[in-house]
Amino acid sequence: GAVVSQHPSRVICKSGTSVKIECRSLDFQATTMFWYRQFPKQSLMLMATSNEGSKATYEQGVEKDKFLINHASLTLSTLTVTSAHPEDSSFYICSARLDRGIFGQGTRLTVV
Amino acid sequence: DAKTTQPTSMDCAEGRAANLPCNHSTISGNEYVYWYRQIHSQGPQYIIHGLKNNETNEMASLIITEDRKSSTLILPHATLRDTAVYYCIVRAQMTTDSWGKFQFGAGTQVVVTP
Repeated sequence: GAVVSQHPSRVICKSGTSVKIECRSLDFQATTMFWYRQFPKQSLMLMATSNEGSKATYEQGVEKDKFLINHASLTLSTLTVTSAHPEDSSFYICSARLDRGIFGQGTRLTVV
Repeated sequence: DAKTTQPTSMDCAEGRAANLPCNHSTISGNEYVYWYRQIHSQGPQYIIHGLKNNETNEMASLIITEDRKSSTLILPHATLRDTAVYYCIVRAQMTTDSWGKFQFGAGTQVVVTP
């Protein structure tokens, strides 16, 4: 079946550095992908909608200059957390739009 | 998209059926009911979805009331591996290729006990 793969699954970075998270659709093309963030003991919060070949659409309150999204091909979207700080530590999850929504396994980001 | 209401938590005995309720009283005609679950530190896993007819697959059954204002997810024989947070989401289909966003609520924490 359709699979969405995220990489890396875990990353630790120093405060002030940037981190890139990849989201790939395997065996299908995804013109649209979604990025979510989940803090401990909370639900998933939609951050942005990634559209192949065009700019991402960000949810209210999400800084587009801090969370850079690139959707350069029909199978790959990337989320770059720029100048990361400890408060950006979270679980980041992507999903690809099909009629049933397929989610990646998530990326645990820890900023130290 | 319409909002959903679910109980905060439920306990279920291993081997018994687990019935998870969800209220979506403001659901619109083009909105589907989706169920996902999330096991700790993993991405959400699709379970089932439906529009108005009851649905069944290898994982679960989805029962939607005739007025579509509520639904029940049934796990027929709960196992310890079914312990997870279960999310009920309503999501609109605008056109054949255009769908609404998945908006997650708090979900129901289901604990299956031996």
